[in-house]
Amino acid sequence: SQTIHQWPATLVQPVGSPLSLECTVEGTSNPNLYWYRQAAGRGLQLLFYSVGIGQISSEVPQNLSASRPQDRQFILSSKKLLLSDSGFYLCAWSVRGVEPLHFGNGTRLTVT
Amino acid sequence: QKEVEQDPGPLSVPEGAIVSLNCTYSNSAFQYFMWYRQYSRKGPELLMYTYSSGNKEDGRFTAQVDKSSKYISLFIRDSQPSDSATYLCAMSAKVLRGQNFVFGPGTRLSVLP
Repeated sequence: SQTIHQWPATLVQPVGSPLSLECTVEGTSNPNLYWYRQAAGRGLQLLFYSVGIGQISSEVPQNLSASRPQDRQFILSSKKLLLSDSGFYLCAWSVRGVEPLHFGNGTRLTVT
Repeated sequence: QKEVEQDPGPLSVPEGAIVSLNCTYSNSAFQYFMWYRQYSRKGPELLMYTYSSGNKEDGRFTAQVDKSSKYISLFIRDSQPSDSATYLCAMSAKVLRGQNFVFGPGTRLSVLP
């Protein structure tokens, strides 16, 4: 069966520090991978998605970037965090074109 | 008009009640419809997945899609305190590369013992 791992679960970082969140998927090949952010009381905002290694599409211009160095690995990064980057970050995967999204358990990021 | 609208809640019901959660949408290209349950501080968990119009039942949960009215519903029978969570509707249209998933803002449900 497929599983998705996302870490860390919680993170507190000072403004201006770098960020690296990692997500890996097991039990499937060539998944579509996604990064979402969920602000308190608000819906899910798509940040990035990837249909293959090295292929990243950005949905929202911002202080973040994403990379996919391996088929089942997706990384969310920032060089310098802003207060507004605080939120709940969710990684998700789907089988290309036909299946629903499956989410990890998220990383709660607090920028202080 | 937002692409997906969902009853804002919060919704409180007594244990054993039938719960109805609803979403409306504007994009007629949506073909796939999903309901997710999200417990506090956890990622959304897929509950139901349907394609096109009709009903789908899974235990105490029934998903209903009416494409002509652009309206979807999730019914929970014999609700339990463990059903207390935020419920998100989602829908997608298959595109050439990847998929376009759109989520409602969620309805927070509390089932009181």
